[in-house]
Amino acid sequence: DSGVTQTPKHLITATGQRVTLRCSPRSGDLSVYWYQQSLDQGLQFLIQYYNGEERAKGNILERFSAQQFPDLHSELNLSSLELGDSALYFCASSALLARDATGELFFGEGSRLTVL
Amino acid sequence: AQTVTQSQPEMSVQEAETVTLSCTYDTSESDYYLFWYKQPPSRQMILVIRQEAYKQQNATENRFSVNFQKAAKSFSLKISDSQLGDAAMYFCAYRSGNAGGTSYGKLTFGQGTILTVHP
Repeated sequence: DSGVTQTPKHLITATGQRVTLRCSPRSGDLSVYWYQQSLDQGLQFLIQYYNGEERAKGNILERFSAQQFPDLHSELNLSSLELGDSALYFCASSALLARDATGELFFGEGSRLTVL
Repeated sequence: AQTVTQSQPEMSVQEAETVTLSCTYDTSESDYYLFWYKQPPSRQMILVIRQEAYKQQNATENRFSVNFQKAAKSFSLKISDSQLGDAAMYFCAYRSGNAGGTSYGKLTFGQGTILTVHP
């Protein structure tokens, strides 16, 4: 158990709809990352938040948005869904402090989104 | 921007044998971290091993070891005494060590190598 919790685990929806994926990071971790993994593909970085503020942005579509709340949980909002948005969406967290010597990201189990 | 390349889409190994997975990366930074993650059929991302670029000694974790060649920007993973449970997708990943950079913290992943273990 990585300590990162993602909900829902599975989600099936129709094109044009909007969904929200939720992530609770490990206790004490201030940084949250969202990744997208399409079928048999690598992980594509979407966005990173650190203590409530956006820190880095990857190839995230304009139809997608995210935020990190004061309690450090994060939500990824996907709107106007298309068939190509079907993927596994991972949330990860890390300590990201100056004294953090490990650098590793701790991943949740992912949210599998299917757009029909 | 940093890139990570895994040139072997698929590899296979016999149980109890040794296999090496390749990874190369491109960066202009001198301070960084490298990782190998394992993704079994459950799709969970599991850290296998990490290497700090400033360390000359290759990292080792039980049956897993790396061959880190900083000048060549190469970071291969060796799995010894392969077990059926090692079958998975393996991802190589890069993380910047530049705390002031905008990419600090995030991992850049390669495309992955599917490892099959034959009994």
